[in-house]
Amino acid sequence: GENVEQHPSTLSVQEGDSAVIKCTYSDSASNYFPWYKQELGKGPQLIIDIRSNVGEKKDQRIAVTLNKTAKHFSLHITETQPEDSAVYFCAVPNQAGTALIFGKGTTLSVSS
Amino acid sequence: GAGVSQSPSNKVTEKGKDVELRCDPISGHTALYWYRQSLGQGLEFLIYFQGNSAPDKSGLPSDRFSAERTGGSVSTLTIQRTQQEDSAVYLCASSRGGPGANQPQHFGDGTRLSIL
Repeated sequence: GENVEQHPSTLSVQEGDSAVIKCTYSDSASNYFPWYKQELGKGPQLIIDIRSNVGEKKDQRIAVTLNKTAKHFSLHITETQPEDSAVYFCAVPNQAGTALIFGKGTTLSVSS
Repeated sequence: GAGVSQSPSNKVTEKGKDVELRCDPISGHTALYWYRQSLGQGLEFLIYFQGNSAPDKSGLPSDRFSAERTGGSVSTLTIQRTQQEDSAVYLCASSRGGPGANQPQHFGDGTRLSIL
């Protein structure tokens, strides 16, 4: 079945720096790649997603890049702010398309 | 409401008791999903509904777990004879499309279940 590896597990940056989180997946047929942000006591919130027909997508300070050949995709956050501190999860649909398979999460800490 | 609503937000119960968790999806979303998140862990898929039927229940950990969905809307997840290892946050999500549609899944804030 699909396998998703996410790195790093923790990331500490200074306010204003950039943060990059990377996920690799195993099923070359995967064609949808969302990223979620989870704050303490809340459910995961979709922050950006990309489909396999494009290589990059941006939304203000957040971007996702996709390399289908290498089977990895990355979340880029620029000009980080303390409110970006949270746990970030990548995900990939399972082969049947009936569920998302999540990475184990990255705890991002942005210090001011 | 605008988002996925789950109740209760917290549930504490004694080992061996049955519990029922409720999910009210976003209006018009035909697909509904249950996931489980244990402390410090990622999300584990439990069951997927399309309308009122559950074509994928492969993630349910044992026959103590069951779920239903009525009227293509509200879903309940039932855990019978609860065990301490059932302690986790149970998350519900909904989306517009069915399998392969790759529509965004929107999550509720979960039910935090603690088994004493």
